[in-house]
Amino acid sequence: DAGVIQSPRHEVTEMGQEVTLRCKPISGHDYLFWYRQTMMRGLELLIYFNNNVPIDDSGMPEDRFSAKMPNASFSTLKIQPSEPRDSAVYFCASSPESGVVPQHFGDGTRLSIL
Amino acid sequence: AQSVTQPDIHITVSEGASLELRCNYSYGATPYLFWYVQSPGQGLQLLLKYFSGDTLVQGIKGFEAEFKRSQSSFNLRKPSVHWSDAAEYFCAVVNTGGGNKLTFGTGTQLKVEL
Repeated sequence: DAGVIQSPRHEVTEMGQEVTLRCKPISGHDYLFWYRQTMMRGLELLIYFNNNVPIDDSGMPEDRFSAKMPNASFSTLKIQPSEPRDSAVYFCASSPESGVVPQHFGDGTRLSIL
Repeated sequence: AQSVTQPDIHITVSEGASLELRCNYSYGATPYLFWYVQSPGQGLQLLLKYFSGDTLVQGIKGFEAEFKRSQSSFNLRKPSVHWSDAAEYFCAVVNTGGGNKLTFGTGTQLKVEL
């Protein structure tokens, strides 16, 4: 079975540019999560969706960050404009149904803002 | 709010030695606990989970963890470490009242000496 697929794996761009990270969850999973990992703050939940609807975006750091899930098989996390402090590894994860079930993680996108 | 503490940032063990990684949680109700492992450049992989029942749970790769309510702990153990176990390990608790959201500890980096 294909796992959670993220693209790109690496992104290097200059400050001020728009960055779009992409995620394809595991087919049939109803929940999708976006995380950010940094040395200073560890793993932080940014936002999560249930059945394509954003449920909790309290972890989104600023208005520069936005996330969408136009259908069950695709989600994007956008940063506009990007800043050097946004440099981090961004993970997407998905899980099936509701209740307490493990999340399945993608391999992440390593983002560097120069 | 629930929280997870991993008191050891780095641990070094010799190959073949036993391993115990500590995890303490703060949660009012019965916690749902996970251990994940992250190898360099990769996403998080689930090692094991505790939901209820037997307090000693077995996971993949020869790992096990014991839930101790009296100590608010969920320590990860392995009787004999292999060099390939070198990675970062994360303990996590789920917020059952919040849509399967995970709260992660800060992680423990394991180094294995040959």
